[in-house]
Amino acid sequence: GDSVTQMEGPVTLSEEAFLTINCTYTATGYPSLFWYVQYPGEGLQLLLKATKADDKGSNKGFEATYRKETTSFHLEKGSVQVSDSAVYFCALSPDTGRRALTFGSGTRLQVQP
Amino acid sequence: DGGITQSPKYLFRKEGQNVTLSCEQNLNHDAMYWYRQDPGQGLRLIYYSQIVNDFQKGDIAEGYSVSREKKESFPLTVTSAQKNPTAFYLCASSTETISPRAEAFFGQGTRLTVV
Repeated sequence: GDSVTQMEGPVTLSEEAFLTINCTYTATGYPSLFWYVQYPGEGLQLLLKATKADDKGSNKGFEATYRKETTSFHLEKGSVQVSDSAVYFCALSPDTGRRALTFGSGTRLQVQP
Repeated sequence: DGGITQSPKYLFRKEGQNVTLSCEQNLNHDAMYWYRQDPGQGLRLIYYSQIVNDFQKGDIAEGYSVSREKKESFPLTVTSAQKNPTAFYLCASSTETISPRAEAFFGQGTRLTVV
């Protein structure tokens, strides 16, 4: 079945450091890929998405490129802020079969001033 | 404002009791979902519904039940058969049925604790 694998956290960075959170997936066909962010005690918010190979999703300084050849969708940000501290989830939505998101286990990011 | 409302935010259940978590959306979305979140395990799909009066089991449906009598509402009942119900429960909706590849929108969650 479909699956998403994320790097384990927590990831601890200083303010203005470069961020990469790795995400790889297993799925048949051509899934859509998403990054969601969760702040403490809250639900998930969509951060960015990409729906086909080589698409780049971007939002609030975060970027991720859909790489079909490496089945990856790594999240990057050039300069993190304390306010970026949260849990980040990579997810996929298949193009066939069960139409529901499959999530990775989440990566906690802690940014220190 | 359009969105998804989950209630209550915190819920305490005694052993052997059934409890129902509410999820209402005014986004006019056809598809709705329930996920369970445990620390370090990401989100796991409990049930989903793509249309009124129809729903499907997800990966961890045992001990849970749902109904979808109205487009706006998708309540989840945690029954006494659920062995370990303490978790954070998230409801979501999307236009997936008419717009494949659409994102899901999430509620603020209900934290259920067995006492």
